[in-house]
Amino acid sequence: DTEVTQTPKHLVMGMTNKKSLKCEQHMGHRAMYWYKQKAKKPPELMFVYSYEKLSINESVPSRFSPECPNSSLLNLHLHALQPEDSALYLCASSQVSGLRGDTQYFGPGTRLTVL
Amino acid sequence: AQKVTQAQTEISVVEKEDVTLDCVYETRDTTYYLFWYKQPPSGELVFLIRRNSFDEQNEISGRYSWNFQKSTSSFNFTITASQVVDSAVYFCALSGVYRGGGADGLTFGKGTHLIIQP
Repeated sequence: DTEVTQTPKHLVMGMTNKKSLKCEQHMGHRAMYWYKQKAKKPPELMFVYSYEKLSINESVPSRFSPECPNSSLLNLHLHALQPEDSALYLCASSQVSGLRGDTQYFGPGTRLTVL
Repeated sequence: AQKVTQAQTEISVVEKEDVTLDCVYETRDTTYYLFWYKQPPSGELVFLIRRNSFDEQNEISGRYSWNFQKSTSSFNFTITASQVVDSAVYFCALSGVYRGGGADGLTFGKGTHLIIQP
């Protein structure tokens, strides 16, 4: 089973709202990722969690706040977003073999619209 | 610096034609991994293949085949007898530069939008 689930599928929020994106995997993977993908562009890495600890933050604005409550769950808390933050947010997970080339399995994404 | 180049922005072919998607990469690492992902209109990135830098054998999986050539830093993907369901955006990706941790993000090419016309 190579399934990563994400909720919600679609989210519309105002610039003053607070919302959260959720991601879950049950493959026993110990690395989880958030990517942002704008229309007609490739995914861009935002955060990496390895063994439930934040290991990489790609200089993402503080209005995006990641959280990894346990090895199966990954959240992305959103606050005071801007319209330019509208995008597809993809979650992924992988093993951590130390080889740096572990296959990342992606969820279906959350399409976020900020009004 | 790492880079993946997919020079073909969009390819349109008629069903049953063969089509090749090009991927050229740059890295200073001696050990690295290359990937292909498919992204249908629904948005999910579907993993297709992973290849490490020491394995230059070509791979075939049904109608899909991959040609890895280190001498030209290329990892091309061919679909034989294309079908409408193959229509999607295809991304070539490279494993991250070592930053001291066990996991890192992928460096993606810009993607090739493949349109298979019936």
